[in-house]
Amino acid sequence: DAGITQSPRYKITETGRQVTLMCHQTWSHSYMFWYRQDLGHGLRLIYYSAAADITDKGEVPDGYVVSRSKTENFPLTLESATRSQTSVYFCASSLQGLADQYGEQFFGPGTRLTVL
Amino acid sequence: GQQVMQIPQYQHVQEGEDFTTYCNSSTTLSNIQWYKQRPGGHPVFLIQLVKSGEVKKQKRLTFQFGEAKKNSSLHITATQTTDVGTYFCAAGKSTFGDGTTLTVKP
Repeated sequence: DAGITQSPRYKITETGRQVTLMCHQTWSHSYMFWYRQDLGHGLRLIYYSAAADITDKGEVPDGYVVSRSKTENFPLTLESATRSQTSVYFCASSLQGLADQYGEQFFGPGTRLTVL
Repeated sequence: GQQVMQIPQYQHVQEGEDFTTYCNSSTTLSNIQWYKQRPGGHPVFLIQLVKSGEVKKQKRLTFQFGEAKKNSSLHITATQTTDVGTYFCAAGKSTFGDGTTLTVKP
């Protein structure tokens, strides 16, 4: 009954380092999403994936890379971390995706990332 | 791109008072979703509205979708301390509003 998990839950890194945030879901949902949430703001979509090997950019993709070799995993990589990427990152999954009508999104617990 | 505006940004109420948050869009929405995020937690899906003028209720929560499908509201009757959190609307290509943060004074 794991659902959707994220690791690490907390991460401190330095400017310029590469960081990978992991997301794993056990429901076999087709769609997966990465969001960032900055203090006092809503969620902004970074990347999403409709299925394994299919990914697409969201609202704020610059500086991030994703991959989805397996349905259950959707890692997010910050190639060269910057201070502006300090944020809380949420992964989510859904049975349906970005069509006219899409299903509820199930969110992971989040990763709090600090870039020094 | 599509944007949704939520008002108010913050709402402080006495326990037992009602609360309403509004979500507005300049374009017609195909659907709208509402989520709740407790302090320190992650967003949790509450409901999805699809039809023009649709009204759905969940206990003390009432959700409405405007006739023109450009706005939506979430109304909580007789708030309780368990209602504390941030309420987000989401529409279109996973566009989230900035949320309304509700605090409830016992």
